[in-house]
Amino acid sequence: EDQVTQSPEALRLQEGESSSLNCSYTVSGLRGLFWYRQDPGKGPEFLFTLYSAGEEKEKERLKATLTKKESFLHITAPKPEDSATYLCAVRYGGSQGNLIFGKGTKLSVKP
Amino acid sequence: SAVISQKPSRDICQRGTSLTIQCQVDSQVTMMFWYRQQPGQSLTLIATANQGSEATYESGFVIDKFPISRPNLTFSTLTVSNMSPEDSSIYLCSVEEGAGEQYFGPGTRLTVT
Repeated sequence: EDQVTQSPEALRLQEGESSSLNCSYTVSGLRGLFWYRQDPGKGPEFLFTLYSAGEEKEKERLKATLTKKESFLHITAPKPEDSATYLCAVRYGGSQGNLIFGKGTKLSVKP
Repeated sequence: SAVISQKPSRDICQRGTSLTIQCQVDSQVTMMFWYRQQPGQSLTLIATANQGSEATYESGFVIDKFPISRPNLTFSTLTVSNMSPEDSSIYLCSVEEGAGEQYFGPGTRLTVT
């Protein structure tokens, strides 16, 4: 059973069409949930860290939220340059400090 | 955040050979990490490399197949030994900074024929 599940696998949006990406986790003792953006041919780029339920972080058109079972990455009025794969990862008590990654959501924003 | 470079950026290798990937960081860091990213799969941690000690390998990865060096606080290498087509993947190094987030290098795309 996957510990970190991201949905949908792929998402196509029109420019300006807001939506949300989901990251659900089944681990206990969460010590941090991390969002990354990855462009083709590049390494993941750090976006946000969330530590506790109810926490929110924002950066430009992106807003990340956290509950006890999942995190959402909200994208408001996306632009074509937001097209990328978005990865989430968790660190929890049983992971020995390591990050456990989901498979990512590939976002395409069409002009 | 730390700036990380990797060499080579990509390579095509023959079955049975070995490739050494270099990771250079622009600041001193305690912990460096090596990941594998296979198509359609999650990033998977291969090992954690601390300067001055043996690397710690995750389940499914062994030192004979993926030897790692960490000679100083800014540099590490990962060798993929006796390669097979199943080793074709993107290999990434990362470092951890103060709040626990990790920053990644650009990756090395390896194709084994």
